[in-house]
Amino acid sequence: GQNIDQPTEMTATEGAIVQINCTYQTSGFNGLFWYQQHAGEAPTFLSYNVLDGLEEKGRFSSFLSRSKGYSYLLLKELQMKDSASYLCAVRDTGGFKTIFGAGTRLFVKA
Amino acid sequence: GAVVSQHPSWVICKSGTSVKIECRSLDFQATTMFWYRQFPKQSLMLMATSNEGSKATYEQGVEKDKFLINHASLTLSTLTVTSAHPEDSSFYICSAPELGAATTGELFFGEGSRLTVL
Repeated sequence: GQNIDQPTEMTATEGAIVQINCTYQTSGFNGLFWYQQHAGEAPTFLSYNVLDGLEEKGRFSSFLSRSKGYSYLLLKELQMKDSASYLCAVRDTGGFKTIFGAGTRLFVKA
Repeated sequence: GAVVSQHPSWVICKSGTSVKIECRSLDFQATTMFWYRQFPKQSLMLMATSNEGSKATYEQGVEKDKFLINHASLTLSTLTVTSAHPEDSSFYICSAPELGAATTGELFFGEGSRLTVL
């Protein structure tokens, strides 16, 4: 079966750092993605990991451990505009079919 | 990045009618597109994989006769919700991977279509 777990909600303060965790159990694995989605809008791509380790991209970093079925998204220097849902997604092998977790709603407060 | 356009953005229809939603890749060819549905405060649920020139592949629990998918060209996929009912009211969103040696194959999403069935 396919199972992707991430916290439902998180709250953090402007300027701080927040880490959003994701664990997954899927029948196949060909990469893990993080997307950002503002309410009522389409998701936008943030990061991609296919090998173990950390990928850094400006204020955003993502980590993957395939043996543990675990990833996290790290957001630094939080801004109010970072308030959104963050979706962890796993791509299946043999194609581009991608399954999404339920998403983590992040609230950034002043 | 690649651009995917979806139309219409909003649609309100009467129960029992059919609604067609279009998804276009504007600057790349998409042999595969994915249709998702999203209920309020929930995540994206994959409905089906749309394959250019062949039948769509539906996820378990999705009625293929109710959600008709046609992928007639490399840049257009359509989703038709037939005999819509209020429980079909949702946010429908399409996506496509941009393939190529320099890409990760991440999904590019259309703007989404919010369907309200009265």
